[in-house]
Amino acid sequence: GALVYQYPRRTICKSGTSMRMECQAVGFQATSVAWYRQSPQKTFELIALSTVNSAIKYEQNFTQEKFPISHPNLSFSSMTVLNAYLEDRGLYLCGAREGGDEQYFGPGTRLTVL
Amino acid sequence: GEQVEQLPSILRVQEGSSASINCTYENSASNYFPWYKQEPGENPKLIIDIRSNMERKQTQGLIVLLDKKAKRFSLHITDTQPGDSAMYFCAASEGGLSGKLTFGEGTQVTVIS
Repeated sequence: GALVYQYPRRTICKSGTSMRMECQAVGFQATSVAWYRQSPQKTFELIALSTVNSAIKYEQNFTQEKFPISHPNLSFSSMTVLNAYLEDRGLYLCGAREGGDEQYFGPGTRLTVL
Repeated sequence: GEQVEQLPSILRVQEGSSASINCTYENSASNYFPWYKQEPGENPKLIIDIRSNMERKQTQGLIVLLDKKAKRFSLHITDTQPGDSAMYFCAASEGGLSGKLTFGEGTQVTVIS
């Protein structure tokens, strides 16, 4: 079946430092990868959508300068949170699609900022 | 962009009864409507979805209805069990690889024994 792994599962970083998180698709080709943030008591905010062979599209309020994303092949993507501050804390989810509409989510990386 | 409104935000039901969650969307081009269940500490899991060429879909105690004219879709959990207690999120998308999912705010469902 289609599985999505994310690591680390939890991480703590000091305010102003950066944190890299990874997403791996197993059992299917992650042609499209979307990164979301779920802040405490909130729904999922789309950060950016990356489709292989296309430019990465960032949503309003999110920038490449703050959340650089790499999607080098059909099984892997990474995102870094640069200069993390308190408002960046939350659960970062990677959702991957092969070609259809179904999006499979990884377990998320929970970021705590001190 | 798309906006999805989800109600109610909190739902408490007696075990064995039905639970209904309603969502509305704005973008008439949206054609894919998944529902996700998220348990505490877990990632959201796709439980059922419906496409715009259907009005009703049913699987294992779950029914989704879609009214394209009213831009409304709903999830009905029949014969609720304690294991159905979780957060439920609806979402809407234009579909395809570049179609982004826009989520509702979520409904906390609690099934009371």
